[in-house]
Amino acid sequence: NAGVTQTPKFQVLKTGQSMTLQCAQDMNHNSMYWYRQDPGMGLRLIYYSASEGTTDKGEVPNGYNVSRLNKREFSLRLESAAPSQTSVYFCASAPKGFSYEQYFGPGTRLTVT
Amino acid sequence: AQTVTQSQPEMSVQEAETVTLSCTYDTSESDYYLFWYKQPPSRQMILVIRQEAYKQQNATENRFSVNFQKAAKSFSLKISDSQLGDAAMYFCAYRSNSGGSNYKLTFGKGTLLTVNP
Repeated sequence: NAGVTQTPKFQVLKTGQSMTLQCAQDMNHNSMYWYRQDPGMGLRLIYYSASEGTTDKGEVPNGYNVSRLNKREFSLRLESAAPSQTSVYFCASAPKGFSYEQYFGPGTRLTVT
Repeated sequence: AQTVTQSQPEMSVQEAETVTLSCTYDTSESDYYLFWYKQPPSRQMILVIRQEAYKQQNATENRFSVNFQKAAKSFSLKISDSQLGDAAMYFCAYRSNSGGSNYKLTFGKGTLLTVNP
């Protein structure tokens, strides 16, 4: 049981390049989330998927797109990377129901030059 | 919208001593969960403790306990007998139990805890 996995762990992009961050969970969770973490800002929600086939914007969605490929996988895409998107990105998942906490992946450190 | 405030960007404690990290939140809801997450240098987010708003009894997990004051909207974390492995960034987080919220977490900005030997 690997929990929540994210690839890659590190990535350097040039401004304008595109890339997709991958996230997968093997806990049969319904909900999945993407956060970004910046120094002094805590974690902020980018997008989330309450269930397979649905996605919704979070607090800071601009410049990102997501795909809930199936119940296991939830990807985050940067179409044209900008230096402001330099951050650490976390994926999380949670079972259905309000009594459960979110389980986090190990994070992806992205640098945009 | 809910907000979570951690007023202490950094704290330090001597090994074996006790330290309290502060968290306040703003909400108009009555049904919610509060969490403390720990993020060590490895970057992994680890759940430390959770508190359901309807439970008056403060949650406890070994050396970690909370002081939950619902009327004051305060949720502090007490770490007893601090250990070197407790050194980390600590985040307070709020989650509505309203289904319409899709159980999203709102985080504070974090408190960096240093443990001195």
